[in-house]
Amino acid sequence: DAGITQSPRYKITETGRQVTLMCHQTWSHSYMFWYRQDLGHGLRLIYYSAAADITDKGEVPDGYVVSRSKTENFPLTLESATRSQTSVYFCASSESLMQTQYFGPGTRLLVL
Amino acid sequence: SQQGEEDPQALSIQEGENATMNCSYKTSINNLQWYRQNSGRGLVHLILIRSNEREKHSGRLRVTLDTSKKSSSLLITASRAADTASYFCATPSIQGAQKLVFGQGTRLTINP
Repeated sequence: DAGITQSPRYKITETGRQVTLMCHQTWSHSYMFWYRQDLGHGLRLIYYSAAADITDKGEVPDGYVVSRSKTENFPLTLESATRSQTSVYFCASSESLMQTQYFGPGTRLLVL
Repeated sequence: SQQGEEDPQALSIQEGENATMNCSYKTSINNLQWYRQNSGRGLVHLILIRSNEREKHSGRLRVTLDTSKKSSSLLITASRAADTASYFCATPSIQGAQKLVFGQGTRLTINP
């Protein structure tokens, strides 16, 4: 009954380090999404995935890498973190692209 | 690819009053969704209204859609302190593959 979970919930890292944010859903939804939320910009789509091994770029993909080897997991990796990637990251899932999305609790990332 | 824009950006009312938030969009849509975000939490889906629907209710929530004006409104009746949150509309993106795009939200504060 967990739904959609994210880990870690809070992360502090340094510029240049690699960071991976995890997302796990228990509904077997086909679609999964990564967003970042910043003041003044609202919610912006980073990457999304239609199924295992199928991913596509969103509005702000630069500096991020995703993978989806299993339907239930959708990790987001910052290969070399920058201060501009300080943000709150939300993972979401849905049955189809334009239907209801179910959001995780978010990960607050601070890059020093 | 910004599509929906909420208005006002912030709204503060007394408990018991009604709150109305608006969303305007640019192109034809097949549905429009409203989400709520409590402070520090992920977004929660409230209502999906299809393009052939003019009004939809869910408890104290009423959503209207006027496709001729390309606008939607969310009405919360008999507001409560627990309604304090940010409210977002989500519409299909203008560019590229059809994806949901979230507006920047209306921050609603209910004063006791």
